[in-house]
Amino acid sequence: KQEVTQIPAALSVPEGENLVLNCSFTDSAIYNLQWFRQDPGKGLTSLLLIQSSQREQTSGRLNASLDKSSGRSTLYIAASQPGDSATYLCAVNSNSGYALNFGKGTSLLVTP
Amino acid sequence: SQTIHQWPATLVQPVGSPLSLECTVEGTSNPNLYWYRQAAGRGLQLLFYSVGIGQISSEVPQNLSASRPQDRQFILSSKKLLLSDSGFYLCAWAPGLGDDTQYFGPGTRLTVL
Repeated sequence: KQEVTQIPAALSVPEGENLVLNCSFTDSAIYNLQWFRQDPGKGLTSLLLIQSSQREQTSGRLNASLDKSSGRSTLYIAASQPGDSATYLCAVNSNSGYALNFGKGTSLLVTP
Repeated sequence: SQTIHQWPATLVQPVGSPLSLECTVEGTSNPNLYWYRQAAGRGLQLLFYSVGIGQISSEVPQNLSASRPQDRQFILSSKKLLLSDSGFYLCAWAPGLGDDTQYFGPGTRLTVL
């Protein structure tokens, strides 16, 4: 069974810092990997999706990388802002069209 | 553009009462649909998914059930709620046909007392 782990569980940084969130998965036979953001009491917002054949995806200040062979993905956030404060979730799709296996998330706080 | 709706937003129900949560998607056709639960201190867990009308697959045994009476409508139900059913229920859709990006609704906060 695919297991997804996110480290650290919580992170606090001052505004302006670049930061990296980590995600690891146990079964490298994945179809794609998706990063989400969740604000307190809200649903999830899709940030980036990386197909298994891709190495990275970029959207604005966000860059996600994927190393399928080692079972790792990172989400890089450049020049962090207080509005980036949220929980970031990594999810792995091991079979097209079906379930996403989620990590428990990294809770990020960016202080002014 | 596509939108996904869930209702109610919050719900407080006594143990043993029935449950019906509704999810609808607009602006797309034949989406894949999903129900997830997010319990306190735990990650999101897939409960059900559907690739078409009347086609429901369950990921975990439980006292919940799901139905898809229309192409863009997904319903989560229970005949008798348990305390352990409390949580944040999220519905999601994906275009399918090679595009697996999942888009989530705003969620329903269920408290069973």
